[in-house]
Amino acid sequence: DTAVSQTPKYLVTQMGNDKSIKCEQNLGHDTMYWYKQDSKKFLKIMFSYNNKELIINETVPNRFSPKSPDKAHLNLHINSLELGDSAVYFCASSQGTELNYGYTFGSGTRLTVV
Amino acid sequence: GEDVEQSLFLSVREGDSSVINCTYTDSSSTYLYWYKQEPGAGLQLLTYIFSNMDMKQDQRLTVLLNKKDKHLSLRIADTQTGDSAIYFCAARQGGFKTIFGAGTRLFVKA
Repeated sequence: DTAVSQTPKYLVTQMGNDKSIKCEQNLGHDTMYWYKQDSKKFLKIMFSYNNKELIINETVPNRFSPKSPDKAHLNLHINSLELGDSAVYFCASSQGTELNYGYTFGSGTRLTVV
Repeated sequence: GEDVEQSLFLSVREGDSSVINCTYTDSSSTYLYWYKQEPGAGLQLLTYIFSNMDMKQDQRLTVLLNKKDKHLSLRIADTQTGDSAIYFCAARQGGFKTIFGAGTRLFVKA
């Protein structure tokens, strides 16, 4: 199936731990994103990569580090997890020049920090 | 920067029309989108409209754009219980960043 897939779907971990979320798209898109959705469903962009190059880096703690080994993958590593990091993290992709197609989102990773 | 605002809740009866409203602040926003999020799922693109259009219709969905007032609306005709979801308005200026509203929770009563 063509899609944006994220793993894991659920992640429960203790404060202070380091964790990673993986994202892969097989749509041939050249741009990928990480969004954070809080408990009130507000979506905030965190990072974007275009052809493996970082193009958007919002005000995000440097405990969050994205890595794009190739244009089909964008992973998110989080160090020293805090309670406030609990949220749903969405990966998305788009064809950078094809703005009329919008984004294709993954189904999200629900991170709970205890 | 761009700010996108929506009302948080809308409740309608099955078979009625739903109208979800959105306002944005940046008049240079070129592309405007509506996304739907069902429980436990990611956002799904429903429709989009370019800033040089006033209206777009796609089956039960009608998008109206008032550029002067920077107002966007999504009308869902013959609303069904399966339309219950969160609807996000989003705006993009032509770069890579899309700004999303806070989402409107649509409740459809049978």
